[in-house]
Amino acid sequence: DAGVIQSPRHEVTEMGQEVTLRCKPISGHDYLFWYRQTMMRGLELLIYFNNNVPIDDSGMPEDRFSAKMPNASFSTLKIQPSEPRDSAVYFCASSLEWGARGNTIYFGEGSWLTVV
Amino acid sequence: AQKVTQAQTEISVVEKEDVTLDCVYETRDTTYYLFWYKQPPSGELVFLIRRNSFDEQNEISGRYSWNFQKSTSSFNFTITASQVVDSAVYFCALSGKGAGNNRKLIWGLGTSLAVNP
Repeated sequence: DAGVIQSPRHEVTEMGQEVTLRCKPISGHDYLFWYRQTMMRGLELLIYFNNNVPIDDSGMPEDRFSAKMPNASFSTLKIQPSEPRDSAVYFCASSLEWGARGNTIYFGEGSWLTVV
Repeated sequence: AQKVTQAQTEISVVEKEDVTLDCVYETRDTTYYLFWYKQPPSGELVFLIRRNSFDEQNEISGRYSWNFQKSTSSFNFTITASQVVDSAVYFCALSGKGAGNNRKLIWGLGTSLAVNP
């Protein structure tokens, strides 16, 4: 079975440019998460969706960050304009319903973003 | 508040040694879940195990074993006869069952394990 698929795997962009990260969750999963990982702050949850609806975006650092999930099989995380401090690994993850049956989160391979 | 503490920042062992990674958690939930993830040098996050709070049985999977003790709020991970391929950062995480913030995973800061030949 295909896991969580993210693109691009690596991106280097100049400060001020728009960055769009893409994610395809595991088919049938109800929840989708966007995480950011940095050396200084570790893993941070940015936002998560349930059935395509954003549930908690309190982790989104600034208005420069936005996330959408137009359908069950696709989500984007956009940074506009990008800044050097946004350099990090961005993980997309998905899970079945949050409860006793299946709340294990499966991660994609990450998108390594460098803003210069 | 929920919290996960992995006190060991870095561990270095020689191949074939046994190594235990510690994880201590705090939660007020009566039902919760504990996880271990592995992050090898290639960067992906790999799910290893999930444990429910009402199941205190220890688990063994090959060279990996997990010791869950509610009395000490610990969920330790042991690798027996370590191998170089075990070199990675290992994360312990906690989640609750209820609504709201309990849908988030609370992560430890990770333990970096280096297994040397």
